[in-house]
Amino acid sequence: LAKTTQPISMDSYEGQEVNITCSHNNIATNDYITWYQQFPSQGPRFIIQGYKTKVTNEVASLFIPADRKSSTLSLPRVSLSDTAVYYCLVGEDTGFQKLVFGTGTRLLVSP
Amino acid sequence: DTEVTQTPKHLVMGMTNKKSLKCEQHMGHRAMYWYKQKAKKPPELMFVYSYEKLSINESVPSRFSPECPNSSLLNLHLHALQPEDSALYLCASSQRSGGDYGYTFGSGTRLTVV
Repeated sequence: LAKTTQPISMDSYEGQEVNITCSHNNIATNDYITWYQQFPSQGPRFIIQGYKTKVTNEVASLFIPADRKSSTLSLPRVSLSDTAVYYCLVGEDTGFQKLVFGTGTRLLVSP
Repeated sequence: DTEVTQTPKHLVMGMTNKKSLKCEQHMGHRAMYWYKQKAKKPPELMFVYSYEKLSINESVPSRFSPECPNSSLLNLHLHALQPEDSALYLCASSQRSGGDYGYTFGSGTRLTVV
């Protein structure tokens, strides 16, 4: 499983765009990049998944450069409720496998 | 139903007690997982069940005993736990698919061992 590296923490203000970068130098050809969000005392929640280029859904965008050795989760116009830990995971796009979490990025959004 | 339901939400138990955590999903997922999460740490995988059979045990001490009675239920039986086992225990489920990473987590059971 590819190891991921993320910033430990980030601070932002309401209404700003937040970009969280994840490094995954050893990503394999079959690996996808997936981001999860976790609030205190809750289970992680799937945010977005991508393989290459750009993916966008109603919550976030995921930018993946051509070499796929990094990815950036973009959260547009964050609110206080976006304060959470964000995890970047890399692995094959199948279930039934280990889901190994890295240290994650603790995002704090202030008024 | 797109949820994983865990009960109880909170549990306090003594070191000599026997208790069980329960996890239930009705999404037809055929893989179910137990994770342990200590404060300010990422979730750590404990067990993986695939088609009701234990497929991965991450060297978890025998005082934790998983059970998968059917495709919708996953239990974690606890016996003779230590205070350091206090943590948030998360259950998850997933399906095998080509286009959806589909791991759904429950809200967890907050376990305190006294």
